[in-house]
Amino acid sequence: AQTVTQSQPEMSVQEAETVTLSCTYDTSENNYYLFWYKQPPSRQMILVIRQEAYKQQNATENRFSVNFQKAAKSFSLKISDSQLGDTAMYFCAFMKHAAGGADGLTFGKGTHLIIQP
Amino acid sequence: GAGVSQSPRYKVAKRGQDVALRCDPISGHVSLFWYQQALGQGPEFLTYFQNEAQLDKSGLPSDRFFAERPEGSVSTLKIQRTQQEDSAVYLCASSRLAGLTDTQYFGPGTRLTVL
Repeated sequence: AQTVTQSQPEMSVQEAETVTLSCTYDTSENNYYLFWYKQPPSRQMILVIRQEAYKQQNATENRFSVNFQKAAKSFSLKISDSQLGDTAMYFCAFMKHAAGGADGLTFGKGTHLIIQP
Repeated sequence: GAGVSQSPRYKVAKRGQDVALRCDPISGHVSLFWYQQALGQGPEFLTYFQNEAQLDKSGLPSDRFFAERPEGSVSTLKIQRTQQEDSAVYLCASSRLAGLTDTQYFGPGTRLTVL
């Protein structure tokens, strides 16, 4: 079984600052995928960024980037030039590669990120 | 196109009642997932469909929980004889492909409160 740990229940930064959210995971799988999802107060979960474990290059999506350290089983999210709209719960999630079909996500408990004006 | 929709958005049930929660996935999406999100927690996987076939129901917490997707599109999660511990947000997600790991798109959820 996989576990995902987010050790920061809540973080608060000023608008325009850079913030890093931590995530570690435990698995015996070699092929897997990692995700960061954002859940605003409206509760619709939105994919922020995705990383395939076999790729060494860290994924980047505009202001969002990850630091993927496979050996350390660490997958942190960096948000640059933070904006008020970034305020949300952020969930780190793991999915093992399933050759015979898709698989459910394993989520961490989330980090509540607050961007202060 | 339209995203994943769920109904009702809010449901209040008395303990012991049966409830049915509906999920309309993105049109053409093969895979459909149900998750349960307790207050202050991350979502937890309940079950997975590939078209109309329920391939994984390992996350269903008890035999009071039942899910179906008879025509491979709309899905219903049914909870019989609801208990207070069933209170949670139930999230549905769909993904385009089968047999491959693909991005899951989530609906807004149904908040179930059992009194």
